[in-house]
Amino acid sequence: EAQVTQNPRYLITVTGKKLTVTCSQNMNHEYMSWYRQDPGLGLRQIYYSMNVEVTDKGDVPEGYKVSRKEKRNFPLILESPSPNQTSLYFCASSGGSSYNEQFFGPGTRLTVL
Amino acid sequence: KNQVEQSPQSLIILEGKNCTLQCNYTVSPFSNLRWYKQDTGRGPVSLTIMTFSENTKSNGRYTATLDADTKQSSLHITASQLSDSASYICVVSEASGTYKYIFGTGTRLKVLA
Repeated sequence: EAQVTQNPRYLITVTGKKLTVTCSQNMNHEYMSWYRQDPGLGLRQIYYSMNVEVTDKGDVPEGYKVSRKEKRNFPLILESPSPNQTSLYFCASSGGSSYNEQFFGPGTRLTVL
Repeated sequence: KNQVEQSPQSLIILEGKNCTLQCNYTVSPFSNLRWYKQDTGRGPVSLTIMTFSENTKSNGRYTATLDADTKQSSLHITASQLSDSASYICVVSEASGTYKYIFGTGTRLKVLA
């Protein structure tokens, strides 16, 4: 089944404890992206990647890191999480054109205490 | 500043009725406009994608329209069903090749029996 998977789905952590949220897609998509969704603000793009070893900042990249060493994986790294990073995070992927449909993962709900 | 605004914020209708959701955007240069359906706690699912040259796109009971001159789009839902209860999000992509997406905050639709 074609899908985007994220792990973990739920995570509660404390301020400053490094964490990684994994994202994987099995559709051989070139493009992958991370978003966060907060009440009243809609989804905002954190980082995106147009292919292996190619990443770029979205609208809210501060406090996050990404890497794209393999085509199928695009992990989101929080080196020193803070409470304002408590949010619902979505990973998405699509083919190599900005016209292609984006497929979203199921989401990761992160709480930073 | 590139923005996408949706109205109304929320809407309640009876099963079987039609409804229209609105999206206004200021994104320029513009590549394409998408409508997504997002069930509570789940990732968005694509309904339609339109470029600036397309006026109408349908997907079953969902019909999206686009007026690139006035920078307005609408999503019309025909013969609503209980399963249409969800948030509907308008997303505009900046000029082709940038892969940057601007999301509206969504319209929360509730369909009552």
